[in-house]
Amino acid sequence: SQTIHQWPATLVQPVGSPLSLECTVEGTSNPNLYWYRQAAGRGLQLLFYSIGIDQISSEVPQNLSASRPQDRQFILSSKKLLLSDSGFYLCAWNTGTFISGNTIYFGEGSWLTVV
Amino acid sequence: AQSVTQPDIHITVSEGASLELRCNYSYGATPYLFWYVQSPGQGLQLLLKYFSGDTLVQGIKGFEAEFKRSQSSFNLRKPSVHWSDAAEYFCAGHGSGNTGKLIFGQGTTLQVKP
Repeated sequence: SQTIHQWPATLVQPVGSPLSLECTVEGTSNPNLYWYRQAAGRGLQLLFYSIGIDQISSEVPQNLSASRPQDRQFILSSKKLLLSDSGFYLCAWNTGTFISGNTIYFGEGSWLTVV
Repeated sequence: AQSVTQPDIHITVSEGASLELRCNYSYGATPYLFWYVQSPGQGLQLLLKYFSGDTLVQGIKGFEAEFKRSQSSFNLRKPSVHWSDAAEYFCAGHGSGNTGKLIFGQGTTLQVKP
């Protein structure tokens, strides 16, 4: 069966420090990978998605970047964190498209607090 | 533009009462629609999904949702709410393109009174 792992689960970082959140998917190949952010009191916002290695699309301009160095690994990074980067970050995956009836599955999330 | 709207930010119901959470969508073509539930500090769990066919969809934990094209709605229902149903609920729909991106509503927080 497929599983998705995301870490760290909780992170407190000072303003201006770097960030690295990692996500890996097991049990499938060539997944689509996504990073969502959930800020306090707000819904989920898609930040990045990737349909293959080194193929990253950004949905919104921001202080963050994403990389996909391996097929099932997706990394969210920042060189200098801002207070506004605080939130709950969710990694997600699916295969194919909805036309083929596939669902997006989410990891357990990473809480980031920038202080 | 494609969008998903959940009009109710917060809903409180008594345990054992029925529940309906509203979701409206705006899509040009047949939408693919989902309901997810999120417990505090946790990831999202899929409750049910609608792709095509029968407009009444059954999900896990006793939830169901009905797709109504004429009303552009996909409301989530449960006949009798349990205290453990207290959580945040998200409606989501297929975004544009072939990547399978989801567009989420703002979420509805469900509180259950004893």
